Amino acid sequence: GDSVTQMEGPVTLSEEAFLTINCTYTATGYPSLFWYVQYPGEGLQLLLKATKADDKGSNKGFEATYRKETTSFHLEKGSVQVSDSAVYFCALFNAGNNRKLIWGLGTSLAVNP
Amino acid sequence: GAGVSQSPSNKVTEKGKDVELRCDPISGHTALYWYRQSLGQGLEFLIYFQGNSAPDKSGLPSDRFSAERTGGSVSTLTIQRTQQEDSAVYLCASSPGEAGGDTQYFGPGTRLTVL
Repeated sequence: GDSVTQMEGPVTLSEEAFLTINCTYTATGYPSLFWYVQYPGEGLQLLLKATKADDKGSNKGFEATYRKETTSFHLEKGSVQVSDSAVYFCALFNAGNNRKLIWGLGTSLAVNP
Repeated sequence: GAGVSQSPSNKVTEKGKDVELRCDPISGHTALYWYRQSLGQGLEFLIYFQGNSAPDKSGLPSDRFSAERTGGSVSTLTIQRTQQEDSAVYLCASSPGEAGGDTQYFGPGTRLTVL
């Protein structure tokens, strides 16, 4: 079945450091890919998405490119801030298989001043 | 506009009691999902509604769990005879549905604690 694998955390960075959180997937067909973020004490929020190969999703300085050849959707940010401290979830949606989101386990990010 | 709302935000119950969790989706969203987020684990899919029907109930962990949706809007998730392993945050999400795209919008969750 469909699955998502993302790098384990926690990830600890200093402010202004470069961030990469790896995400790879296994799916039949042509899934949509998402990054959701959960800030401390808050609910899940959509961060960015990409619906087809080579699409780049971007938001709040974060980017991720849908790479079908490597089945990846790595999240990147050039300069993290303390306010980026959160748990980041990679997810897959495959309408051709079922309509539920398939989730990675989440990666906790802590950014220190 | 209003987002997805859930109630109660917190629920503490005794083992063996029944609980009902409520979800109010975004107006006009035809698809509604329930997930469970347990400490130290990822999100677990429970059930999906399209309108009032549930094409996918595959994630319900046992027959103690049931859900319904009336009027294509509000949904309730019922857990009967709660067990300690049911303690988790229960999340509801809605999306425009098959014709409207696949982005899911989440409510703040209900934190269930079974003593």
